[in-house]
Amino acid sequence: NAGVTQTPKFRVLKTGQSMTLLCAQDMNHEYMYWYRQDPGMGLRLIHYSVGEGTTAKGEVPDGYNVSRLKKQNFLLGLESAAPSQTSVYFCASFTPQETQYFGPGTRLLVL
Amino acid sequence: AQSVAQPEDQVNVAEGNPLTVKCTYSVSGNPYLFWYVQYPNRGLQFLLKYITGDNLVKGSYGFEAEFNKSQTSFHLKKPSALVSDSALYFCAVRDTFSGGYNKLIFGAGTRLAVHP
Repeated sequence: NAGVTQTPKFRVLKTGQSMTLLCAQDMNHEYMYWYRQDPGMGLRLIHYSVGEGTTAKGEVPDGYNVSRLKKQNFLLGLESAAPSQTSVYFCASFTPQETQYFGPGTRLLVL
Repeated sequence: AQSVAQPEDQVNVAEGNPLTVKCTYSVSGNPYLFWYVQYPNRGLQFLLKYITGDNLVKGSYGFEAEFNKSQTSFHLKKPSALVSDSALYFCAVRDTFSGGYNKLIFGAGTRLAVHP
């Protein structure tokens, strides 16, 4: 039981490039979340999903897109990366009776 | 607006001494409160939560938290700090407008440094 995994662990992008971050969970959780963590700001919710095929906007969705084609995977896409998207990205999964389980994070640097 | 405040950026404690990491919240209705810990280059790990019941909640690694409704606080405590407790601690509250989707509102985090 691997819990929540994220790939890649670290990535450097140039402004304007695109990339996709993958989150996978093997706990059969319905709800999955993407957060970004910036110094002094805690975690802010980007997008979330309450089940396969569903997505919704969080607190800071601009510049990101997501997809949940399979229950166990939640993808976060950056179509045209900007330096303001330099951050650490965390994925989490959750069922209503439990707490959120977090992945190890992806460090993204946009030059 | 719903929010969580962690008034201290950093807390310094000597090993063996008790520690307190402060958290206050503002939500509509009954709060669901959480503490998470983050070690360097790792994701957040769940420590404990308050949903209802006893105001003193016990969690992982010897941590506990006291819910105080009148002061809208949920301070994290440990009777005897260890050097290995040094980490970044986040308080969070469930967004009561999230319609059951358990969206969490996080505080900015408090760095705990335990010195030998």
